[in-house]
Amino acid sequence: DAGVTQSPTHLIKTRGQQVTLRCSPKSGHDTVSWYQQALGQGPQFIFQYYEEEERQRGNFPDRFSGHQFPNYSSELNVNALLLGDSALYLCASSSGTGTTEAFFGQGTRLTVV
Amino acid sequence: LAKTTQPISMDSYEGQEVNITCSHNNIATNDYITWYQQFPSQGPRFIIQGYKTKVTNEVASLFIPADRKSSTLSLPRVSLSDTAVYYCLVGSYSTFIFGSGTRLSVKP
Repeated sequence: DAGVTQSPTHLIKTRGQQVTLRCSPKSGHDTVSWYQQALGQGPQFIFQYYEEEERQRGNFPDRFSGHQFPNYSSELNVNALLLGDSALYLCASSSGTGTTEAFFGQGTRLTVV
Repeated sequence: LAKTTQPISMDSYEGQEVNITCSHNNIATNDYITWYQQFPSQGPRFIIQGYKTKVTNEVASLFIPADRKSSTLSLPRVSLSDTAVYYCLVGSYSTFIFGSGTRLSVKP
């Protein structure tokens, strides 16, 4: 049983560019959450998708957007990249029935130069 | 979303029991308390979750007092491989606020 898979694992982008990160949830999970983790910091909640809709959002600008597909996979899009967007982006999947146990992927390391 | 406070770092030796306490004064009725472990350059890994009283699994115990405003993660007989950052999280529907975590260093 594959766990949460994220792609790509590493990415280098230039300031001002746009990036799309992808996440496939653990089998049987229908909820996907995205987090940003800067070096030495705890993960910061970006948003959560359930039933193809954004259910909750953290304190991130509109440059951060997402999507969930009918197969529950998800994308995180970041527009107009800033140097400060360099971080490890984590995807977590869980069941939308109320359990709070979430399984995290290995993350995508984004470097903005 | 409730905020949590936990010690920045802790040191221990192999074979000792480690207790990490977390404060969450604004915990809501629907919130669960969940602990995660994270190694460098990896995603956090679920350790244990509870709502009240005591929960135990094969790796840890979680103690929650009646007022639920704090919780204690207990790791029995730690080993070098338990060196990691431990996060205490409070929330529901898997929507969490992560704090800075507790950096546990286990020494031989």
